[in-house]
Amino acid sequence: QKEVEQNSGPLSVPEGAIASLNCTYSDRGSQSFFWYRQYSGKSPELIMSIYSNGDKEDGRFTAQLNKASQYVSLLIRDSQPSDSATYLCAAWYQGGKLIFGQGTELSVKP
Amino acid sequence: DVKVTQSSRYLVKRTGEKVFLECVQDMDHENMFWYRQDPGLGLRLIYFSYDVKMKEKGDIPEGYSVSREKKERFSLILESASTNQTSMYLCASSFSDRGGGYTFGSGTRLTVV
Repeated sequence: QKEVEQNSGPLSVPEGAIASLNCTYSDRGSQSFFWYRQYSGKSPELIMSIYSNGDKEDGRFTAQLNKASQYVSLLIRDSQPSDSATYLCAAWYQGGKLIFGQGTELSVKP
Repeated sequence: DVKVTQSSRYLVKRTGEKVFLECVQDMDHENMFWYRQDPGLGLRLIYFSYDVKMKEKGDIPEGYSVSREKKERFSLILESASTNQTSMYLCASSFSDRGGGYTFGSGTRLTVV
């Protein structure tokens, strides 16, 4: 059974702080990993993808992947109230299906 | 701008009605998916399709069927709507073999009364 695990939160950080979101996955066969942001009542929006070990930076977002530890993380620097949302971690397996975590709710307090 | 379009944003149907949810993508994606999302239960896969005329059951197919007559269109059918099918329904699409993520539609909030 392929699984992706996330802390459900809520994770609360003050404005301007670094928010750290974590995710683990069970199957070493996974090849690609994704972070989606979902605002309340809206559909998920892809914000980061990562395919190889190490860090990938895009603006205020950094995704980190450690395949040996089966661990993916998302760092949000200089967090803003507009970053308040649920963040979904997903792992892609051969055949094109994503396995999603339950999501972590992030709240950024002004 | 690539798009996945779901035909209705909000829908209210009566118990026992046959309900059609339509999804169209313009990205030439091979894969299409239907999920439902409920508070505390996350995204649950209903059905998916890797090609025209092809369909595979997901984790919760009971009470649903699908149709994919054209590559760009994937329809979800509730054969006889029930109140426990009140939910947010999300359509998504992706390429099949590039390890890429999904693009989601804007969702349909279905209420069955």
